[in-house]
Amino acid sequence: DQQVKQNSPSLSVQEGRISILNCDYTNSMFDYFLWYKKYPAEGPTFLISISSIKDKNEDGRFTVFLNKSAKHLSLHIVPSQPGDSAVYFCAASAYNQGGKLIFGQGTELSVKP
Amino acid sequence: KAGVTQTPRYLIKTRGQQVTLSCSPISGHRSVSWYQQTPGQGLQFLFEYFSETQRNKGNFPGRFSGRQFSNSRSEMNVSTLELGDSALYLCASSPGLAASTDTQYFGPGTRLTVL
Repeated sequence: DQQVKQNSPSLSVQEGRISILNCDYTNSMFDYFLWYKKYPAEGPTFLISISSIKDKNEDGRFTVFLNKSAKHLSLHIVPSQPGDSAVYFCAASAYNQGGKLIFGQGTELSVKP
Repeated sequence: KAGVTQTPRYLIKTRGQQVTLSCSPISGHRSVSWYQQTPGQGLQFLFEYFSETQRNKGNFPGRFSGRQFSNSRSEMNVSTLELGDSALYLCASSPGLAASTDTQYFGPGTRLTVL
């Protein structure tokens, strides 16, 4: 039972353009969502998060949008840079279970110069 | 602040052996969570410890166990290793006080290979 899904295994974007990574979830008890960036054989690096009481959160080039009715969130990277090339994971936690993250399968982003 | 550290970084064991992995959280963080990453299953939650008590548990067999010490450092143990236990084991720490909105910060991982 995949509670967090990232349906696109890969995404290729031109440098300077917008990257949009998508994530869907099924558990309505999830109330905190995070995006992590990961390189092979390294631990995930935290990028940005959003609480279910918000629908948007921005941090520099990164913006996360949450649509609770659709159980969908997205990460926008503008402008995309070659250094953004990595695997991006969406993760979620339920109320009172902040220490237990449920991860999507990841989307590999490639930003081409 | 120093980040999450994990030791060892790489480990090779044979089937049937047991292994202990160690994690030191960010200073001041009281929650430590463990995850397993494999190519087939992705990142899966093993368990979380807070104040020396297991607070959450994932769907792994009893061969996987952990503990946390009074200084918040944590260890996980895998007994009777199987080939399928080959994975990257990740530890993450967070303050642990918020019911849901704690952000977890990950260590570099321990790459375990079972032969």
